[in-house]
Amino acid sequence: QPVLTQPPSASASLGASVTLTCTLSSGYSNYKVDWYQQRPGKGPRFVMRVGTGGIVGSKGDGIPDRFSVLGSGLNRYLTIKNIQEEDESDYHCGADHGSGSNFVYRFGGGTKLTVL
Amino acid sequence: QVQLVESGGGVVQPGGSLRLSCAASGFTFSSYGMHWVRQAPGKGLEWVAFIRYDGSNKYYADSVKGRFTISRDNSKNTLYLQMNSLRAEDTAVYYCAKDRAGTVDYWGQGTLVTVSS
Repeated sequence: QPVLTQPPSASASLGASVTLTCTLSSGYSNYKVDWYQQRPGKGPRFVMRVGTGGIVGSKGDGIPDRFSVLGSGLNRYLTIKNIQEEDESDYHCGADHGSGSNFVYRFGGGTKLTVL
Repeated sequence: QVQLVESGGGVVQPGGSLRLSCAASGFTFSSYGMHWVRQAPGKGLEWVAFIRYDGSNKYYADSVKGRFTISRDNSKNTLYLQMNSLRAEDTAVYYCAKDRAGTVDYWGQGTLVTVSS
């Protein structure tokens, strides 16, 4: 089963850009990762899925064009450009792992993004 | 639009039981797998269980295996989570969520379960 690692915190100034990282454990470089946004006091919201070739499928409902993803090796990146106050949230990454008759979904620890 | 509304949370003593429900609307419920995901206070997300669209297969996190049971009633567009032998570490907000090919693409607002004496 993959382990997903995220830095606990990040910050960026209003109008700037930030890149959040989710790192898969060794041996899982072909895995796709899902990004989720969770605003304070709210349930998570799907942002988009990313593989080594970039976005997989379509973005979640209402996700602005300012959000984009890239994948390289074991890393999956979420970049937010022209950061707005409303982007201040926890960002979680997750990945499904199916093996034979088993299935698990793993989450990273989440990154708290602070907008300065 | 997709709506997922959880209910059934509350305060329960250690060793007790609780059943959560999730009413789904805005999509063909019987065509999609469904998840339960939880979040302990101040912590990250933890996947709890998944059930396939027709209920044929169910999967659980090791932390709840043997104590929790996921089920669904496609005639009522409702997902359930039966939680037995509850422990303090099960205290969390429980989210019902829709699956799309391995992605959790829609989430409810959650229901709080507190296990305390």
